[in-house]
Amino acid sequence: DGGITQSPKYLFRKEGQNVTLSCEQNLNHDAMYWYRQDPGQGLRLIYYSQIVNDFQKGDIAEGYSVSREKKESFPLTVTSAQKNPTAFYLCASSMDPTSGGPTDTQYFGPGTRLTVL
Amino acid sequence: GNSVTQMEGPVTLSEEAFLTINCTYTATGYPSLFWYVQYPGEGLQLLLKATKADDKGSNKGFEATYRKETTSFHLEKGSVQVSDSAVYFCALSLSSASKIIFGSGTRLSIRP
Repeated sequence: DGGITQSPKYLFRKEGQNVTLSCEQNLNHDAMYWYRQDPGQGLRLIYYSQIVNDFQKGDIAEGYSVSREKKESFPLTVTSAQKNPTAFYLCASSMDPTSGGPTDTQYFGPGTRLTVL
Repeated sequence: GNSVTQMEGPVTLSEEAFLTINCTYTATGYPSLFWYVQYPGEGLQLLLKATKADDKGSNKGFEATYRKETTSFHLEKGSVQVSDSAVYFCALSLSSASKIIFGSGTRLSIRP
């Protein structure tokens, strides 16, 4: 089955530690995205990548880093510089974000809930 | 700038009631419009979409019509069920922007 997987589902981190969230897709999509969702809030874009080896900052990139070495994978690292990292993190992908047609639809993974202890 | 405004929740209805969740947008150009649904503890699922004016998206009894003249994409369902309880997000996509802009979400609760 094609889809987007995120792991782990729950993640606990001590203050001052970096942690990496995994996102993998087998949909052959070009673009991938990371969002943060706080309780009762909407989605805020952290980083996105339209092609391998290229990525752009979203609205709240400070304290986060990403890489896109393979088309299928877009890991997100939450660094110790992120002051309030406890949140629900969602990864998404789309085939061609610039098409303006049906392929601009984003498909989401199940999410990772990160808690800082 | 480009933005999406949707009605604030929570919205609480009885089972079999008629549902409307309002969504209006501001965009330069001709966006694609989406409704996503998020069940507790899960990611977002695409519910329906429309890519041009007067298109109607539909899925699982939900419908929304792309109204260019009123810049709206209201979500409707004729008879809601308890299983429809979730958070609903309206969103738009512009080919020039390479990303989706989401509304703040509307929490829907259905009483048996």
